[in-house]
Amino acid sequence: AQRVTQPEKLLSVFKGAPVELKCNYSYSGSPELFWYVQYSRQRLQLLLRHISRESIKGFTADLNKGETSFHLKKPFAQEEDSAMYYCALSENSGYSTLTFGKGTMLLVSP
Amino acid sequence: GAGVSQSPSNKVTEKGKDVELRCDPISGHTALYWYRQSLGQGLEFLIYFQGNSAPDKSGLPSDRFSAERTGGSVSTLTIQRTQQEDSAVYLCASSLGRQSYNEQFFGPGTRLTVL
Repeated sequence: AQRVTQPEKLLSVFKGAPVELKCNYSYSGSPELFWYVQYSRQRLQLLLRHISRESIKGFTADLNKGETSFHLKKPFAQEEDSAMYYCALSENSGYSTLTFGKGTMLLVSP
Repeated sequence: GAGVSQSPSNKVTEKGKDVELRCDPISGHTALYWYRQSLGQGLEFLIYFQGNSAPDKSGLPSDRFSAERTGGSVSTLTIQRTQQEDSAVYLCASSLGRQSYNEQFFGPGTRLTVL
């Protein structure tokens, strides 16, 4: 069975500092990986997915199959980045039920 | 257009009572998902619908939980004989199709508190 691990419950950084939110997964097949974000009092929304190879709001994530990781990075954190971040995995086999990690709360202080 | 809507937004009930949670997906979205968000547990998959059928019910935690979807649109999640451990935020999501590349759009959730 697939599993997603986010080792940090809370990550606290100062504005302008680099950020790395860790995500590791276990899955025997070829997964699709996503980052979802939930800002305060807003609904959960997709931030980015590995197949798009895009940068959203300055965030990037690279799928490392050797290390089974999909860490989320941003070189300079902003206060508005404060939110709950969830890493999620989908089997690349037909349908898209997501397996989520437990989430990391990112707090960016001024 | 309107996003995924859920009702009620909050539900407080007594242990042993039945509750119904409703999800109205984005129009035209054939796939619908229910998740549960508990403190410290992250999001757990409950059930998935493609049209009116539910090919994957593997996440339902017990036979007290059931869900249906009618007309390929609105879905209802029913919890019978609620227990305190059922307290959580129940999230619904929908997507255009079942393929993994289709983005899932989430509703605001229903916060269930079982006293």
